[in-house]
Amino acid sequence: DVKVTQSSRYLVKRTGEKVFLECVQDMDHENMFWYRQDPGLGLRLIYFSYDVKMKEKGDIPEGYSVSREKKERFSLILESASTNQTSMYLCASTSNTGELFFGEGSRLTVL
Amino acid sequence: AQSVTQLGSHVSVSEGALVLLRCNYSSSVPPYLFWYVQYPNQGLQLLLKYTSAATLVKGINGFEAEFKKSETSFHLTKPSAHMSDAAEYFCAVTPGGTSYGKLTFGQGTILTVHP
Repeated sequence: DVKVTQSSRYLVKRTGEKVFLECVQDMDHENMFWYRQDPGLGLRLIYFSYDVKMKEKGDIPEGYSVSREKKERFSLILESASTNQTSMYLCASTSNTGELFFGEGSRLTVL
Repeated sequence: AQSVTQLGSHVSVSEGALVLLRCNYSSSVPPYLFWYVQYPNQGLQLLLKYTSAATLVKGINGFEAEFKKSETSFHLTKPSAHMSDAAEYFCAVTPGGTSYGKLTFGQGTILTVHP
């Protein structure tokens, strides 16, 4: 069974903390993505990667960075968390079939 | 550039009634279109996709959607709603090719099914 695994389902952090969200896929997909989901706004693309050590900005990259050191792992980093980054974060991967496979999401609360 | 508009943030139907979720898109190139479903506390799951083959696309769980270029629409339908269809539904568009996965999503429609 194919799988995208996000390491933390729920996190609570304080303003200014550094936050790491980890995502691992077992499908040998080249392409990986981080989306943010907010009520009434749908999903918005933060960053994506088409290859190891490669990254590209999505629509809302400000305040975020990413790391892809291995093909199966794509990490989202919040250097200094702020309250407006409280959200649901969704990782996804695809192998150019057009279908995104999503993880179950990481719900982050920044106090 | 592309965009997606889902008409109606909430849709409520009775069990057994027709489900119609509306999606309109804009795209500067021929689009690939998708419908995803999200059940509570889960990630998104693909329902169906249009990638320039047949304009009527059948998906899982009895859902289907019709691509209408003249109306720039990709509405999702199901003839008879079931209680298990209650979820949030997202329409998405991408220009395809090397942009696979770089989807633009609509704001979502929450479907409620009444007994």
